[in-house]
Amino acid sequence: EDQVTQSPEALRLQEGESSSLNCSYTVSGLRGLFWYRQDPGKGPEFLFTLYSAGEEKEKERLKATLTKKESFLHITAPKPEDSATYLCAVQAGGSYIPTFGRGTSLIVHP
Amino acid sequence: KAGVTQTPRYLIKTRGQQVTLSCSPISGHRSVSWYQQTPGQGLQFLFEYFSETQRNKGNFPGRFSGRQFSNSRSEMNVSTLELGDSALYLCASSARGSGRADTQYFGPGTRLTVL
Repeated sequence: EDQVTQSPEALRLQEGESSSLNCSYTVSGLRGLFWYRQDPGKGPEFLFTLYSAGEEKEKERLKATLTKKESFLHITAPKPEDSATYLCAVQAGGSYIPTFGRGTSLIVHP
Repeated sequence: KAGVTQTPRYLIKTRGQQVTLSCSPISGHRSVSWYQQTPGQGLQFLFEYFSETQRNKGNFPGRFSGRQFSNSRSEMNVSTLELGDSALYLCASSARGSGRADTQYFGPGTRLTVL
């Protein structure tokens, strides 16, 4: 059974304090790993898709990396508006349905 | 390109009633998936429709059903509502092409409250 574990569950940062969120996965035949951002009461907003180990993608203050066992979402010099829940999901084997982690709730204090 | 749209955005129902939620996917996307999100359970997959056929189904009772129309728009129905059905219902669309991973794009959700 595919498993996705995100850590930490919650993270509090000061504005400008860089950090990383972790997504570890156990799947057979990874086809892709996704990162989403979700604000309270809203639908997840797509951030990145990573397809293979060694791949990296960047968007503003966010950078996602992928290894064979985990992915990191690095947040550089975060701002209060980066506060949200960040979800990780994987798609593997012949399935089109992603398996989601429980998310990391990030709060950035001004 | 317009994103995924869901209607209504908010619903209040009482136990025993039924409800229908609607989802319009991104233009050109033929796959629509539905999820239930609650604080305790996170995102749980309900079902996926592709080319008007249910292709995958999650572990939910038969009270939850759906359908997809020829224009890829989808509806989800919940009959005999229970208090535990209160949740954010999310629709996601994707192109479902062959080969690499298929990215899903989510709508804003429908907040259902069952009293």
